[in-house]
Amino acid sequence: DAKTTQPNSMESNEEEPVHLPCNHSTISGTDYIHWYRQLPSQGPEYVIHGLTSNVNNRMASLAIAEDRKSSTLILHRATLRDAAVYYCILRRPDNNNDMRFGAGTRLTVKP
Amino acid sequence: NAGVMQNPRHLVRRRGQEARLRCSPMKGHSHVYWYRQLPEEGLKFMVYLQKENIIDESGMPKERFSAEFPKEGPSILRIQQVVRGDSAAYFCASSPRSGRWGNEQFFGPGTRLTVL
Repeated sequence: DAKTTQPNSMESNEEEPVHLPCNHSTISGTDYIHWYRQLPSQGPEYVIHGLTSNVNNRMASLAIAEDRKSSTLILHRATLRDAAVYYCILRRPDNNNDMRFGAGTRLTVKP
Repeated sequence: NAGVMQNPRHLVRRRGQEARLRCSPMKGHSHVYWYRQLPEEGLKFMVYLQKENIIDESGMPKERFSAEFPKEGPSILRIQQVVRGDSAAYFCASSPRSGRWGNEQFFGPGTRLTVL
C-alpha cells in the first residue's frame, strides 16, 4: 500500500489559516487522497477527498500537487474546535475499503 | 438520520472473560468496518463486512477475535478470553456502498475496552 508522511504536530493561532501537508510520493494513478480528523475521545470524521483537482467544501480545501506526490489540507480560519489529529489516507478504488491510518498530524490551536 | 451507534461506550473486563462490542450502522448502510486504536496510535483496520458476509478480515488477529454482521441486528465484534493487550478503543464505521471511487466512511464514537 502506498504510504503517506505527515508532520507529527503543528500549531496554529485561532482565526488564522492552517496548511497541513502530506507527502505520498508512491501514490498510484487511481489512488484517492482522503483526509479525516479525530477530535479528542471521538471517532474519526471525514473532512475532504480528491483525485487530481483541488477541492473545496464547507470544512476545508484540498490542494493537490500537479504530480500528485503531495497534498495540503487547508483550514481557512482555524477555531479551537479544529484541534484534532488529522489523517491523510490514500484509498484505491479496487481496494476492499479499509483505510490505512498513519499517526497523523496533531493540530493544536492557540487562542 | 442517526449516525453510527456503538455500545457499550465503555467496557471493563477481567482477563479471560469475553467482550462483545456492538455496532449499528447508519440507516441504509450495508457495509461495516471495524478498527482498533491503541493509545497514542492511529487506527488499524481489522475487518470489513457486508450483510451476512465477511469480505476482508486481513487485520483480525488469528485467534480469539471474530466478527459478524447478521441479516438483522447490529454487527458484533467478539473477543474471547481477553488479555490486557486487548485494551484499546474499537471503532466501527459504515458506508452505503463499496469504498470504490473514494466513498466516505462514517465512524461511530467507539467502545473503550479496558482489561483488568
